[in-house]
Amino acid sequence: GAVVSQHPSWVICKSGTSVKIECRSLDFQATTMFWYRQFPKQSLMLMATSNEGSKATYEQGVEKDKFLINHASLTLSTLTVTSAHPEDSSFYICSASRGVMNTEAFFGQGTRLTVV
Amino acid sequence: SQQGEEDPQALSIQEGENATMNCSYKTSINNLQWYRQNSGRGLVHLILIRSNEREKHSGRLRVTLDTSKKSSSLLITASRAADTASYFCATDGSQGAQKLVFGQGTRLTINP
Repeated sequence: GAVVSQHPSWVICKSGTSVKIECRSLDFQATTMFWYRQFPKQSLMLMATSNEGSKATYEQGVEKDKFLINHASLTLSTLTVTSAHPEDSSFYICSASRGVMNTEAFFGQGTRLTVV
Repeated sequence: SQQGEEDPQALSIQEGENATMNCSYKTSINNLQWYRQNSGRGLVHLILIRSNEREKHSGRLRVTLDTSKKSSSLLITASRAADTASYFCATDGSQGAQKLVFGQGTRLTINP
């Protein structure tokens, strides 16, 4: 099956610093990737849709200046949490599909972000 | 916004028993998918059922879909301790198949 790799799997950073999370599709090209956020024992909340070569589409209530998304190639999307605060601590997960309608999404392993 | 609701929120059964989880959604869909998540890990795709399908099997998994009731169920037969995980349904809507909306999930615990 298709593989999506996310890095790092966990990160601890100080308040006010920025953290970059990478999401790579290893064996297929993904023109679209998705970034989700998950709080403990809760479901996944879609944050934004990452579009290769164009601006990301953010869900309502998600600050685009806070969560910068760059989809510079067909296999890589990055999420940068800028000026992180403790309330940004969460589990961030990316996903990608092969680009054909009505197919399964492949998820990265997730990144546990802790802001201290 | 989250449109899927799952019940139960938590389920604890003995190994060997069957586990049934339900999912309801609100809008029309193209597909409904079930995913599994082990604690602190990413999601693993289990099964996809199309809107024109009513039932689908994959190994010990059986999924049903009732579009008239906007609901789906996931049955895991002959459960094993390794099935302990959270299970989520996810639907796509008019936005396109790739944009998934997840249910709240069911935390399943299989006791040895």
